[in-house]
Amino acid sequence: AQRVTQPEKLLSVFKGAPVELKCNYSYSGSPELFWYVQYSRQRLQLLLRHISRESIKGFTADLNKGETSFHLKKPFAQEEDSAMYYCALSGPLNYGGSQGNLIFGKGTKLSVKP
Amino acid sequence: GAVVSQHPSWVICKSGTSVKIECRSLDFQATTMFWYRQFPKQSLMLMATSNEGSKATYEQGVEKDKFLINHASLTLSTLTVTSAHPEDSSFYICSARIRGREAFFGQGTRLTVV
Repeated sequence: AQRVTQPEKLLSVFKGAPVELKCNYSYSGSPELFWYVQYSRQRLQLLLRHISRESIKGFTADLNKGETSFHLKKPFAQEEDSAMYYCALSGPLNYGGSQGNLIFGKGTKLSVKP
Repeated sequence: GAVVSQHPSWVICKSGTSVKIECRSLDFQATTMFWYRQFPKQSLMLMATSNEGSKATYEQGVEKDKFLINHASLTLSTLTVTSAHPEDSSFYICSARIRGREAFFGQGTRLTVV
């Protein structure tokens, strides 16, 4: 079964502390993994996707196929990082097919205190 | 960047009436769009995949006759909640994905059925 698990509903840290948001997945095949962020009163937006291997706003995420994990990390949290973070996966986007829909984890609310 | 726009942003309707929600891709063509439902403080749940020119693919447990989806053009998909009841009150979000890229989300529609 396809599933994304984010074990923490809420993660609270102080400004400047390291952050790790956990994400584990279950998928038979080679999924694409994403992290989406939703700031207060804003729409969901992409933060990272594993195939681009970028660092956005100081966040990184490494796909560990052995552990089926895609944890999101940032060495020094900022107050503006406070938001809801969703890990998501999809199958490879096939041309003409209906694949490409995202399966979301339940989300982790990150609260960065001053 | 790619923009997905939903209309209306919020709607209040009487029980038993129908409500139509529009999802438009403003600067790109989307052969496939996705409709999600988000309950308060919960994750997004995929309701259906909307395919341009063909029938939508519904997820298990989603009533096709209650949630009518029409994808009449490459830039417009509509979700009609028919004979709405208070339990249909929720936040509905659409998204579209460009081949080889991430999904882009609408701002969501808050439906309240009274």
